[in-house]
This record gives sequence, C-alpha cells and structure tokens, in this order.
Amino acid sequence: DVVMAQSPLSLPVTLGQPASISCRSSQSLVYSDGNTYLNWFQQRPGQSPRRLIYKVSNRDSGVPDRFSGSGSGTDFTLKISRVEAEDVGVYYCMQGIQRPYTFGQGTKLEIK
Amino acid sequence: EVRLVESGGGLVQPGGSLRLSCAASGFTFSDYDLDWVRQAPGKGLEWVGRGWNKFNSYIIEYAASVKGRFTISRDDSESSLYLQMNSLKTEDTAVYYCARDHWGSYEYWGQGTLVTVSS
Repeated sequence: DVVMAQSPLSLPVTLGQPASISCRSSQSLVYSDGNTYLNWFQQRPGQSPRRLIYKVSNRDSGVPDRFSGSGSGTDFTLKISRVEAEDVGVYYCMQGIQRPYTFGQGTKLEIK
Repeated sequence: EVRLVESGGGLVQPGGSLRLSCAASGFTFSDYDLDWVRQAPGKGLEWVGRGWNKFNSYIIEYAASVKGRFTISRDDSESSLYLQMNSLKTEDTAVYYCARDHWGSYEYWGQGTLVTVSS
C-alpha cells in the first residue's frame, strides 16, 4: 500500500497567521493520464470529513481561497494563508492513485 | 443535492453481528463506486472496503483487517450500499462512513454511524 506521512501532527496557530501542512507519499502519485491524485480533507470536531482540495491544487466549491494546495510527485503541501477560528480541526491528505486509497495520520490544527 | 445517509450502528457484544446501510440520493447510484471508511475513537481514517459499480462488474474489495468477517453489497434499485459485519471485535469500534469515489477522490461523505463493540 502507498504510505502517506504528514507533518506536523499537531499545529498550534495564532488567529490570522499562516499555517502549512506537509504530506509525503511513499511513491509517486502521478498517474499515467498525467494527473496527480492527491487530496486534502478537513474534519471539524464532531463532523464528517469534507474534501477541500483534489488533484493537488483544485479547491472544492465553497472552500475559501485562503486554502491552497501545491506539490508534485511525492511531496505536497496544504497552506492556509490566514487561519480563522472555523479552521480548527484535523486535516488529512489522501492518495487516490492506487487501491486501496490511503490517508495520512492527520494534522490537528488548534488556535494558540 | 448529493446525500449519503448511514444507519444501523449501535452497541454489540464481541462476536456479534451488525448490518449497516448507506442510503444515497441526488445522483445515479449505479454509476458510482462507493466505499466504507471507518474512524476509531480519536484515531485517523481507515478504508474498510468498496462496492464497485456496474461498469466494474460489481466487484467487492476488502481491507485485510475485515476480510472474511465483513460483507459489502449494494442494491442499485434501492440506491443503497450495505456492510454486514460478523464476528465483531472490540477493535472494530468506530464511526463508519460511506463515501462516494470519483476519479481517485471522496467527493461526498455521509454523516457516519457509530458502532461500539463491547461486553
């Protein structure tokens, strides 16, 4: 299985400050069609996961533009330009290139 | 509007059985692959299994941790996905989500249903 490793696992951030989460995969997530199947999910306390980003950098409808995804191959980053209170929760990266899809361990974002 | 609604969770003793359902609406159910994903209390997300769609011959896949104990089925006429869980263990305690796959991504998730395995 493809192993997904996130860092940090805990991320205390001051309101209004930027935040960055790293995700590394054990193999390239570039598929033969040229797309890279890396996703980011947000899970707020007590809620289901919600997709934020698909194929590295495509934001889902309704996702604030302070969220951005970048990266290539095996190294990816989720950035929040200015953290707001509603961003508290756990963030997961997930690869969708190989079955079974696998998730990172999760990064818990909290407000300092 | 796409909706996935899980039901059937509850408290069951070790060795017992439970059947979960995921009722879908707002899209052509038969066109999509659907997965079960679980989350143990305070832990991360773990893929449980998949019901592939008609274009993929309704193949069923399982994670090694549940293979031989869990059975996934789907009824396209009812737009529903099922998870029959037998020989339950305490480590199966989790919230179980169904999720719709589209091109290597879980676009939509249900609200989840809690399964607690305890004596």
